[in-house]
Amino acid sequence: KNQVEQSPQSLIILEGKNCTLQCNYTVSPFSNLRWYKQDTGRGPVSLTIMTFSENTKSNGRYTATLDADTKQSSLHITASQLSDSASYICVVSAYTNAGKSTFGDGTTLTVKP
Amino acid sequence: GAGVSQSPSNKVTEKGKDVELRCDPISGHTALYWYRQSLGQGLEFLIYFQGNSAPDKSGLPSDRFSAERTGGSVSTLTIQRTQQEDSAVYLCASSLVVSTSGQFFGPGTRLTVL
Repeated sequence: KNQVEQSPQSLIILEGKNCTLQCNYTVSPFSNLRWYKQDTGRGPVSLTIMTFSENTKSNGRYTATLDADTKQSSLHITASQLSDSASYICVVSAYTNAGKSTFGDGTTLTVKP
Repeated sequence: GAGVSQSPSNKVTEKGKDVELRCDPISGHTALYWYRQSLGQGLEFLIYFQGNSAPDKSGLPSDRFSAERTGGSVSTLTIQRTQQEDSAVYLCASSLVVSTSGQFFGPGTRLTVL
C-alpha cells in the first residue's frame, strides 16, 4: 500500500532559526515528490517538485532533498520568518495512476517571535 | 484565469439537502482533481479527471457523491442528502498534465452541514 509519513507532526521554532521537516514514503513506482505549504484557511501552494533524478531543489529559503534509494525527503527552511507558520505537506505520485497522489498528513510549523 | 477558483467559498446547509460545489481550473490544464480536508486532517483524494478519459472515482466515499466536468473545463462536485460528517473543506486542483506537473489548488469551499 502506498504511504507517506511525515515527521514531526508539529514543530515550534523561534524566528530566524532553521528547521528540517521529514517525509518517508513507500509509493512505487516512484514518479515525483512535491512539497506544499498550506496557510490556515487557504489551499496548498507548491514549493518544490522533484523527480527520480533530482536530489535537491531550492525555492528561496526552502530547500528540498530527495533520496530515492532510501525513499526519504526533507524540507529545510532557512532563517525562518513568522510567515512560514503553516502546514507543510509532502505528496508523492506513482507512474501508475499518476492522478491519484498519496498525501502525507503534514507538519504544522509555528514560528514565534 | 490566473488561478483555480472555487465557489461558493462557504456553504452552510441542512442535513438531507443537496449541494453543488463549483471549480474553475486554470485555462489549458487538462487534469482536474477534487479533495476533501476535514478539520486538522490531511487531504483525502475524491476524484480526478484527465482530458476526455473516464474519471477516476475511486476516492468518492459513497454514492451520494458525484462529479462532472463539462467541456473539459469547469467541474461540479455534487453531494446528495448531505450528512453532518460531510462537513469539511473541499479543495479543487488542476494541472497541465497528470503525470509530472504540479497541481495548483483553489482556495476551497468550506461546507458545514447542520
